[in-house]
Amino acid sequence: AQSVAQPEDQVNVAEGNPLTVKCTYSVSGNPYLFWYVQYPNRGLQFLLKYITGDNLVKGSYGFEAEFNKSQTSFHLKKPSALVSDSALYFCAVRSRDTGGFKTIFGAGTRLFVKA
Amino acid sequence: DVKVTQSSRYLVKRTGEKVFLECVQDMDHENMFWYRQDPGLGLRLIYFSYDVKMKEKGDIPEGYSVSREKKERFSLILESASTNQTSMYLCASSFSEGRGPKETQYFGPGTRLLVL
Repeated sequence: AQSVAQPEDQVNVAEGNPLTVKCTYSVSGNPYLFWYVQYPNRGLQFLLKYITGDNLVKGSYGFEAEFNKSQTSFHLKKPSALVSDSALYFCAVRSRDTGGFKTIFGAGTRLFVKA
Repeated sequence: DVKVTQSSRYLVKRTGEKVFLECVQDMDHENMFWYRQDPGLGLRLIYFSYDVKMKEKGDIPEGYSVSREKKERFSLILESASTNQTSMYLCASSFSEGRGPKETQYFGPGTRLLVL
């Protein structure tokens, strides 16, 4: 069965420090991987995606993510966190299922960046 | 910029009422989706549509129905609202890209529904 795991409910980081939000997945075939961010009282916004090619993907707001096929991971990273990065982050994977392509979202990780 | 709008930000309804949630997108997207978001569960797909008058069940369709009479509008209907349908409801849309897997979904702001 396809699944996406975000093992941390919450990540706390000091402003200026690097941040990592973890995501692992289990799918059959080649996955297409996404990160979305949700600010308070807002819908989800697309951050970045991995389809093919370079394993390091750069996205909006200075975020990047590294696709690691052997570890089936797609961790979100940023070299220097900002207080304004505090939000809820969702990892998603899209792959072929019995009924066609299907997107599965992780449970979300809340990021707190302290000044 | 893609814009996805939802008819209400907050709704309070009583058990047994029929509830309509409306979603409109202005980018001529073929695909539209309804999710519910609950703490610790992430987003779960209720229904989606890849064309006008077409609909497909998602992971949790029970208690819901949908309508897509026009390409830009996708409605979610709770035939008889129950307290366990209290949730945040998110609409999304995307291009089809030949119904391939590369689509990026664009989300509306969400409707927070409370069923008493």
